[in-house]
Amino acid sequence: GENVEQHPSTLSVQEGDSAVIKCTYSDSASNYFPWYKQELGKGPQLIIDIRSNVGEKKDQRIAVTLNKTAKHFSLHITETQPEDSAVYFCAASISGGMNDMRFGAGTRLTVKP
Amino acid sequence: GAGVSQSPRYKVAKRGQDVALRCDPISGHVSLFWYQQALGQGPEFLTYFQNEAQLDKSGLPSDRFFAERPEGSVSTLKIQRTQQEDSAVYLCASSLAQGSNQPQHFGDGTRLSIL
Repeated sequence: GENVEQHPSTLSVQEGDSAVIKCTYSDSASNYFPWYKQELGKGPQLIIDIRSNVGEKKDQRIAVTLNKTAKHFSLHITETQPEDSAVYFCAASISGGMNDMRFGAGTRLTVKP
Repeated sequence: GAGVSQSPRYKVAKRGQDVALRCDPISGHVSLFWYQQALGQGPEFLTYFQNEAQLDKSGLPSDRFFAERPEGSVSTLKIQRTQQEDSAVYLCASSLAQGSNQPQHFGDGTRLSIL
């Protein structure tokens, strides 16, 4: 089955700096890669996703890149703000009616004002 | 609200008791997923429904776990004879289309504590 590894487990940045979180996956058949933000006491919230036919996707301060050959994808947050502080999860999933979305272990991002 | 709703938000039970956790998905969403999230970890897949059909229950940890979605909308996750290792946050997610490679919308979860 799919295995997703996420690094780093914790990340602290100064407000205004950029933050990068990286994930690797094991199953080359994976073709859907969402990123979730989870605040304390809340459920994961989808912030951006990318499919395997695209190498990069951007939404305002958030961007995701995908390298299918190396089987890794990354989340980039620019101009970080204190409200970006949360736990971020990457995930990978396979199409074709499969039901097994695998999540990374999460990255706790702290943005210092 | 229009999001996924879960109840109760918190549940405390004694070891050996049965519990039932409810999920109200977004109206019209075909797919419904249950996940278990241990402290400091990512969600782990438990089971998947497409409408009322439970197509995958491979992630259920034991036969004490049972899920249903009889009318293709509300779902209930039941845990019988609870054990301490069942303590976790149980998350429900729904998506408009079938399969797991579609955007999933999560509820805020039920935090289950077994004493």
